[in-house]
Amino acid sequence: EAQVTQNPRYLITVTGKKLTVTCSQNMNHEYMSWYRQDPGLGLRQIYYSMNVEVTDKGDVPEGYKVSRKEKRNFPLILESPSPNQTSLYFCASSPGRDYEQYFGPGTRLTVT
Amino acid sequence: QKEVEQNSGPLSVPEGAIASLNCTYSDRGSQSFFWYRQYSGKSPELIMFIYSNGDKEDGRFTAQLNKASQYVSLLIRDSQPSDSATYLCAVPNAGKSTFGDGTTLTVKP
Repeated sequence: EAQVTQNPRYLITVTGKKLTVTCSQNMNHEYMSWYRQDPGLGLRQIYYSMNVEVTDKGDVPEGYKVSRKEKRNFPLILESPSPNQTSLYFCASSPGRDYEQYFGPGTRLTVT
Repeated sequence: QKEVEQNSGPLSVPEGAIASLNCTYSDRGSQSFFWYRQYSGKSPELIMFIYSNGDKEDGRFTAQLNKASQYVSLLIRDSQPSDSATYLCAVPNAGKSTFGDGTTLTVKP
């Protein structure tokens, strides 16, 4: 089954404790992206990658890191999480830039 | 001004009616436009995409694009209670993808 998977689905952590949210797709897509969704602020792009070893900042990259060492994986790293990073995070993949995107199930992160 | 704006909603229509969702965008260089549906607590899923001016129909859904007016809309005919969701307009450009805040649609039986 073609899909985008994210892990973990739910995470409660404390301020400053480094964490990684994994994202993997099995559709051989070139493009992958991370979003956060907050009430009243909509879906905002954090980082995107148009190919292996190529990443670019979206609208809200501060406090996040990403890497794209393999085509199928695009982990999101929070080196020192803060409460304002409490949010619902979505990973997405696409056959190419500016094409339709396929979203993972989401990761709900709470930072206390 | 936001880069992608949607009618604020919420929008409520009776079952069987036409629901009209609107989106305006600011980047004249945008070439592709997408509508996603998001049920509460779920991830967005693609409904329609449109690249050319005019109308594009897919079942009960019609997307309309007017690049001169920088306007894209989604019509849902014969609305069903299962169409109740938040609809997101997305406008990518050179890899960056901007979403509207969404319009929440409720279809009342």
